[in-house]
Amino acid sequence: GAGVSQSPSNKVTEKGKDVELRCDPISGHTALYWYRQSLGQGLEFLIYFQGNSAPDKSGLPSDRFSAERTGGSVSTLTIQRTQQEDSAVYLCASSPSRGQGAIGYTFGSGTRLTVV
Amino acid sequence: AQTVTQSQPEMSVQEAETVTLSCTYDTSENNYYLFWYKQPPSRQMILVIRQEAYKQQNATENRFSVNFQKAAKSFSLKISDSQLGDTAMYFCAFMKQGAQKLVFGQGTRLTINP
Repeated sequence: GAGVSQSPSNKVTEKGKDVELRCDPISGHTALYWYRQSLGQGLEFLIYFQGNSAPDKSGLPSDRFSAERTGGSVSTLTIQRTQQEDSAVYLCASSPSRGQGAIGYTFGSGTRLTVV
Repeated sequence: AQTVTQSQPEMSVQEAETVTLSCTYDTSENNYYLFWYKQPPSRQMILVIRQEAYKQQNATENRFSVNFQKAAKSFSLKISDSQLGDTAMYFCAFMKQGAQKLVFGQGTRLTINP
């Protein structure tokens, strides 16, 4: 596609339920990133995939959070047993390679998750 | 660890005025990149301008320019001839050389009034 696509755009879930957020990167981009933006805050790094390398999971806030990237393309971020503090906008980005200085880094429009 | 600080939560100016958004950062790295991103209501982060720390010359992109002061660890964004479409959240961000993660500030909400 022309840009990074994320679905759903908005998600409301009940506390304790599991949710899956999807990111479809730009075709040919080998790197994929997830960030979280809590209300009124900047973006917080969650996880980074690069090709077939092991992902950098250093930003995941708890073991309730996990992500996978199948076939080097689409990625799914899963949050288990959601809590109210998980409410945020989850943004995905992709870039063409392990380039320097965020060359080609392109963000999607995010998924707004609300836990009630 | 790197940190990025934006000390102005909100700013408001009249259309056609010039506005400067402040950003300071803390790092022990010598080689890195700095960015300003714009986030309109659509939520998509849009790159406004990018600066490589080894370059002394300040980056410019049309009406957008930066004042990069490496010793002071300061990276401000100047928007000239502001337009209604400039209304958005603006985030300053840092990336160290060789890394892939962006470290963001808390953002400044900029409103351009007609």
